[in-house]
Amino acid sequence: GESVGLHLPTLSVQEGDNSIINCAYSNSASDYFIWYKQESGKGPQFIIDIRSNMDKRQGQRVTVLLNKTVKHLSLQIAATQPGDSAVYFCAEPPRGDGQNFVFGPGTRLSVLP
Amino acid sequence: NAGVTQTPKFQVLKTGQSMTLQCAQDMNHEYMSWYRQDPGMGLRLIHYSVGAGITDQGEVPNGYNVSRSTTEDFPLRLLSAAPSQTSVYFCASRAWAGERTGELFFGEGSRLTVL
Repeated sequence: GESVGLHLPTLSVQEGDNSIINCAYSNSASDYFIWYKQESGKGPQFIIDIRSNMDKRQGQRVTVLLNKTVKHLSLQIAATQPGDSAVYFCAEPPRGDGQNFVFGPGTRLSVLP
Repeated sequence: NAGVTQTPKFQVLKTGQSMTLQCAQDMNHEYMSWYRQDPGMGLRLIHYSVGAGITDQGEVPNGYNVSRSTTEDFPLRLLSAAPSQTSVYFCASRAWAGERTGELFFGEGSRLTVL
């Protein structure tokens, strides 16, 4: 069945270093992905999305890379800051008649001082 | 705009009690949904609605009821609470039910404990 999952449940990085959070998907027809950030005690917030006609998309300090050959995407955070500490989800929005987002379990990013 | 507002933020129930989690959005979104979030399980869809008067089941609907009498409100009812329903519940909404979009807006969550 379809799945969107992350490679590691936790990731610790030093403040100022770059962070890379990975996500794998199983459906080769998947063509649209989004990343959410969930801070402690809050709801998930949209960070950035990418469609399959792109290999890379950049936002403010964040970059998402999509490798359709190996069905893998990653979220890169440059110069990680304490405020980046959160759980990050990759998600696949519904397509066709479906209405369900498919969420991965999340990776908890901890930023060390 | 307040976005998506959920109440209450915290609730403790005894097994067998019933309650309603409230959700309201002020963005005129047609699509609203309820998720539960459990450790290691990610977000799982309980029920959703693509417009007033229309609701449908998600992945884990058992033990929950919903209704959508207005565009703004989408309450989630626990009919007879069970310890397995201890979780954090999120309401989320987005515009245009038939359109693929990543802009799913979440509320702050309601933490429910069933004893």
